[in-house]
Amino acid sequence: KAGVTQTPRYLIKTRGQQVTLSCSPISGHRSVSWYQQTPGQGLQFLFEYFSETQRNKGNFPGRFSGRQFSNSRSEMNVSTLELGDSALYLCASSLSGGATDTQYFGPGTRLTVL
Amino acid sequence: GDSVTQMEGPVTLSEEAFLTINCTYTATGYPSLFWYVQYPGEGLQLLLKATKADDKGSNKGFEATYRKETTSFHLEKGSVQVSDSAVYFCALGLGSARQLTFGSGTQLTVLP
Repeated sequence: KAGVTQTPRYLIKTRGQQVTLSCSPISGHRSVSWYQQTPGQGLQFLFEYFSETQRNKGNFPGRFSGRQFSNSRSEMNVSTLELGDSALYLCASSLSGGATDTQYFGPGTRLTVL
Repeated sequence: GDSVTQMEGPVTLSEEAFLTINCTYTATGYPSLFWYVQYPGEGLQLLLKATKADDKGSNKGFEATYRKETTSFHLEKGSVQVSDSAVYFCALGLGSARQLTFGSGTQLTVLP
């Protein structure tokens, strides 16, 4: 079974631009979560989607948004990029997103903001 | 709020040495506990999990026991290999929060 895939793997943008990242979950998984990983803040939860609905959101500004499609694929968007948005963005999928579910992570998208 | 505290790194060991990475948590309920590993340039891979008190998770020679009385989930391996060099993350998942709370990660380097 194919794992979680994320595209693109690397991205370079300049301040003020916007960016869209894509995540395809493991087949059959309906929950998709997004995390930001930085050296300073570590791994922080962004949001979680299930059946096209956002069920949970972390403490990030409104510039960070996401959506999920009927095939469970998900995208996240960051508008008006800031230097501090440079990070590894990780997507994870699970069957239903419950606390006991295992979340399977993709390889991440490395975003650099110049 | 919920939090995970991990042993500060980096940790450097010789091959075949015994490994312990400490992890303690604070949670308002009864979380599920996880250890993930991240190799350079990659995402996170699940190493093991435990969903209730006294559960022992094990995989690839790594073990961790969910200790409710000490709110801990320490990772151990009896004999590390060079290929175990990576960053290890302890995490908790709680109730319907549908998110993982991670520790800060512990960098492990194993020397031949």
